[in-house]
Amino acid sequence: DAGVIQSPRHEVTEMGQEVTLRCKPISGHNSLFWYRQTMMRGLELLIYFNNNVPIDDSGMPEDRFSAKMPNASFSTLKIQPSEPRDSAVYFCASSLRTSTIYEQYFGPGTRLTVT
Amino acid sequence: ILNVEQSPQSLHVQEGDSTNFTCSFPSSNFYALHWYRWETAKSPEALFVMTLNGDEKKKGRISATLNTKEGYSYLYIKGSQPEDSATYLCAFTAGNMLTFGGGTRLMVKP
Repeated sequence: DAGVIQSPRHEVTEMGQEVTLRCKPISGHNSLFWYRQTMMRGLELLIYFNNNVPIDDSGMPEDRFSAKMPNASFSTLKIQPSEPRDSAVYFCASSLRTSTIYEQYFGPGTRLTVT
Repeated sequence: ILNVEQSPQSLHVQEGDSTNFTCSFPSSNFYALHWYRWETAKSPEALFVMTLNGDEKKKGRISATLNTKEGYSYLYIKGSQPEDSATYLCAFTAGNMLTFGGGTRLMVKP
């Protein structure tokens, strides 16, 4: 298996533009997580899905952020409009969740820079 | 918001030293405690998942213990090597919530 795949790996955009980050989880995994990593706040959970359904989105910073999981093999995290403070590394992770015990497998991350 | 704290924030040791660091978490409503290893410019990699009070896990020179009653977990590295240099993250799950600590950054000097 190729592991969790994220695209793009790097994104540079101007303030006000829409940004879409993509994630393909490991085949067979039923949970998917979006994280943001910044120097100030470390690793933050933004949202996670179980069986394609959003379970906890309390970490999503504001209405400019939205996430979807239309099927078991694809998820997007969208920022519209983007702002310089959104600059961070965004990680996607997936796991096979059969209870509350689950190891997460992280993707390589997308480094977003908003100028 | 669940408070998960790790200490120390950073640690510098010499090759061959043994070291340990701490993850503190709320002792109520405990489900699981995870440890991850995160090398610079890479993605976090799962080390251990522990669920039972008194759990001990080991992988090579790295081991971890869990005390759910008092709300802490220790991660030990025996005979540190330069390749152990990384940030070690713990994460606490309670119900549907998952919270990461700030990490302990370990630097092992050859």
